Amino acid sequence: AQSVAQPEDQVNVAEGNPLTVKCTYSVSGNPYLFWYVQYPNRGLQFLLKYITGDNLVKGSYGFEAEFNKSQTSFHLKKPSALVSDSALYFCAVRVPYSGGGADGLTFGKGTHLIIQP
Amino acid sequence: AAGVIQSPRHLIKEKRETATLKCYPIPRHDTVYWYQQGPGQDPQFLISFYEKMQSDKGSIPDRFSAQQFSDYHSELNMSSLELGDSALYFCASSRKVAGGPIEKFFGPGTRLTVL
Repeated sequence: AQSVAQPEDQVNVAEGNPLTVKCTYSVSGNPYLFWYVQYPNRGLQFLLKYITGDNLVKGSYGFEAEFNKSQTSFHLKKPSALVSDSALYFCAVRVPYSGGGADGLTFGKGTHLIIQP
Repeated sequence: AAGVIQSPRHLIKEKRETATLKCYPIPRHDTVYWYQQGPGQDPQFLISFYEKMQSDKGSIPDRFSAQQFSDYHSELNMSSLELGDSALYFCASSRKVAGGPIEKFFGPGTRLTVL
């Protein structure tokens, strides 16, 4: 079974500082990894994905994530945080062609990112 | 750009009633997914359809059923509603490609409240 862990319920960062939202995964096989952001009372918005290739993935709104196979991590990063980045962030994993389907994403519990002015 | 459309956006039902949620995927997307997000919870995958056939099944209760129609829209039917069914129900769509999965695009969700 695949699983995702987001160890921090909340991350507080001052505006202008770099931010990191942590994500680790557990799968049997090579993972497809995703980050989504959810604003209050809104749907999930896609930020970025890792499928294969370069371990550093760049996404929307200046976010990036680094795939680290040895540490089974896919941390989300941004060099300079904005107040408007404050939201709930979900890491998700999917294993390709797992036979039983695994068509849907498995999400982490989410991390509240709070950017303080 | 067109997005995933869900209707209704809000729905209030009483216990033991039925509810039908609708999802209209992005044009040319052939796969639809349903997720349930309880209060303060992460989204849980319920079920998915590809080309009108059930593709995968997650934690969907037996009281729920879903289907995808010829125009690719999908409906989630929920019967014998329970208080615990109160949640935000998301639909997502994507298009299968040979090289691997493209990202899923999520709709705004339907907030179901069971009284």
